[in-house]
Order: sequence, then C-alpha cells, then structure tokens
Amino acid sequence: QVQLVESGGGLVKPGGSLRLSCAASGFTFSDYYMSWIRQAPGKGLEWVSYISSSGSTIYYADSVKGRFTISRDNAKNSLYLQMNSLRAEDTAVYYCARVVPAAHFDYWGQGTLVTVSS
Amino acid sequence: QSALTQPASVSGSPGQSITISCTGTSSDVGGYNYVSWYQQHPGKAPKLMIYDVSNRPSGVSNRFSGSKSGNTASLTISGLQAEDEADYYCSSYTSSSTLYVVFGGGTKLTVL
Repeated sequence: QVQLVESGGGLVKPGGSLRLSCAASGFTFSDYYMSWIRQAPGKGLEWVSYISSSGSTIYYADSVKGRFTISRDNAKNSLYLQMNSLRAEDTAVYYCARVVPAAHFDYWGQGTLVTVSS
Repeated sequence: QSALTQPASVSGSPGQSITISCTGTSSDVGGYNYVSWYQQHPGKAPKLMIYDVSNRPSGVSNRFSGSKSGNTASLTISGLQAEDEADYYCSSYTSSSTLYVVFGGGTKLTVL
C-alpha cells in the first residue's frame, strides 16, 4: 500500500533553516511527480512546491520562491524540502503528496509540523 | 484570501443532500476540467474524493459527486452520514505563471 511519511519538522527561530523529508513506499517513486502542500494552524491548504519524476522540472509558490528548495532522491525513494530564511508565516503542517495527472494529489502523508517562533 | 471561493460552512441532516460550491476564474476552474475535492477530518491528512471535476477514486462512496458550470465547480454529497462531517477543499490547476494548483478556503460540513 502507498505510504508517505514526513519527518524533520520542529521549532525554529525566524531566519533559521529546516530540512523536511518524505519517505515513500508501496509504489514506484521514480514514476511520479511529487508536491509539498502546507496548512497553517486553523487555516486552509496552500500548495508550496512541485517536482517532476526526474527532478528536472520544479515549481514554487511565490510565497516561498528563493527561500525553499525541493529535491528528490529516487534511489532512496525520498522527497525533500530545504527551508531557509524561515518566517513566522511559514508555521504550518507540511504534507508531502503524490501528484497524478492532472494536478491532483491522490496520496498524502500524515504531515509534519513546522513552528517558526522566537 | 484564497484563490478559489468556497462557503465557510454548510450543514444538513442525515439522509439529506448538500452541495458545496467552488468559484474561480477562467484561468483555473473555468478553463480546465482539472478540479479536485478533498475531505479532511480534524487532525488528519486530506483525502482525495473527486478528481477531474467528476471522477471518483476507487473506494470513494458514490454518494459523492462533482460537477462544473462555467467558473464554478460543485461537490454534492447525497444521503448524508455522520462520518461525512469534515472540512472540504476544492482545488484546480491554474494557468497562473506563479502557481501550479490553487485551493479554496475550505468548507466546514456539519451533519446535524
């Protein structure tokens, strides 16, 4: 069965960095595009970033462009999100999700909480 | 402010039908048949309920259906059950140069 397990969340000070990981299993990871989606406490969903199956195509939401970097290691069946220059407004649960055509997310991880606070 | 507009809340009694609307623009909902709907129970990850406007993934009850007219998509839940109480989010592919997918603000469904 498809499983996505995020890790790496935690408490970080404004301006700090954090690296999230998502371990995938139960499907051929290298065949699928993947995304990060976040949800601030008590708020709605916000798409953050997207990476193609080979890693050659990447998109970011304007709110994180230049600060976040998505990457993947198909040999390790893993997706990553490097988050730099973190701000209070980046506080959210971050989900990794499998992307299927066109532009929908059929499997989600359980999420990892990132809290940016001094 | 979310890119897609949903009502904040809807309610219905068990057995009834409800509809949740999702309004966008010609750059997203109106321009593509790539609208999805997600159900989220408190503290849980979202679950895909409808994709490509009206398709149900395997395992999703046929009480859930989707449609679209112009720039507005709709999710209808018939034969409401207590376990349907959750937050529902619509999403759409967008031709915006700065986004890939836009979400609605979410609708809280209360089963009375």
